Order: sequence, then structure tokens, then C-alpha cells
Amino acid sequence: ETGVTQSPTHLIKTRGQQVTLRCSSQSGHNTVSWYQQALGQGPQFIFQYYREEENGRGNFPPRFSGLQFPNYSSELNVNALELDDSALYLCASSLDEGRREQFFGPGTRLTVL
Amino acid sequence: GENVEQHPSTLSVQEGDSAVIKCTYSDSASNYFPWYKQELGKGPQLIIDIRSNVGEKKDQRIAVTLNKTAKHFSLHITETQPEDSAVYFCAASRDQGGGSYIPTFGRGTSLIVHP
Repeated sequence: ETGVTQSPTHLIKTRGQQVTLRCSSQSGHNTVSWYQQALGQGPQFIFQYYREEENGRGNFPPRFSGLQFPNYSSELNVNALELDDSALYLCASSLDEGRREQFFGPGTRLTVL
Repeated sequence: GENVEQHPSTLSVQEGDSAVIKCTYSDSASNYFPWYKQELGKGPQLIIDIRSNVGEKKDQRIAVTLNKTAKHFSLHITETQPEDSAVYFCAASRDQGGGSYIPTFGRGTSLIVHP
């Protein structure tokens, strides 16, 4: 069974640029959630996708957007990057929105200069 | 929205000692409380969880207790080992509708176990 994978591992961007982060769900999982984890903080919920539809959103501006594909992999897109967007971005997958256990990937470390 | 407070932020113990991490939550509708362990360079890993219809749950050296009236829950690790050193996060969540649970995390506790 393949776990949750994310790419890239690290990324450096400059203010105003756009970035796309990718996540492959654990085999059989159809729900993906994205989190932002700033240094020394707990993960903050960005949004969740279930069967390719957005299924909940946290307190993040519209420049944070996402997609889920038919194979349940997912992308997180961030436009007009700001310095405060520097963080570890975590993807978590689960089996059906009714299941509560989420399995996290290793994250993508984004640095905005 | 939900607010989760976690204490202490850092906990240093000797190998073999017990460690206790405490969390409080604000939303009385929260009914699922997972605990995650995050090692350096890795994503959080679920180590134990508890639902609101249970007051205590144990898995080998790890136990979690829940007091719904007081809205607090705790993680207990007995006979700590150096490999228990990591950052631990508590979280609280509830059904957002349609069965989706979205957790609110605490700020984490850095546990250091000295050999």
C-alpha cells in the first residue's frame, strides 16, 4: 500500500509569483485535505476535496485554490505569493468524507523571498 | 469556530518517566479528538484518537483521557523512550455536515526524552 506522497519537497519562490504543489493520495482514499503549517505552529486547515468537489474551506483568501483529479490526486495553487505564505504545506488523505482518520504526507516546504 | 489550547509547549523528561500533555477546546459540538506525532522532516502521524462517547482509551504505553464537561483531554505516555522525542499535536473536530470531519490543531508540544 502506497502512502501519501507530495512534490516537490522544497521550493523557493519570490513575492508575487505563483506556485503549484502536488499530492498523491493513499491508495483507495477519495478525500484530500490541505493544511498550512507555519514554523512552531499546528497545521491550519486550508480546504478539503471529496470526489473532485471542494468540501470545506478554512480561513484562507481566494488566491489559495485547489483541484482534485479523477484518480484522487490533488493540487494546491497559490497566486500572488506573500512572505507570510512561507510554511510547510501538508496534504492528508482519508477514506470517504465520513471517515475521520487522516493520513498525512511529508509536506512541501515553501520559502517566499 | 473551534479553538484548541495545548500545554506545555515544551516537555523534557528522563527516559522511563511519564509524560502528560493537556489540551482544552471551546466547541462543545466537537466529538472526535485525535493525537498526532510529528518527527523532524515528516508529516504528522496519528498515534491515538478518542471519541466523545468514551472517557479513556489506551494503546500500550499511550493513553488518552477526555472530560467533555470540562472540555479538556490529555495524552499520557508511560515509560518514555528516546524515540518518543517529537512534536505532539492534539486536535478537536466535529461533523461539518455530510460526515466530513475537519480538525482544529493545538500549537504542539515538543517532547524531549533524555537517555
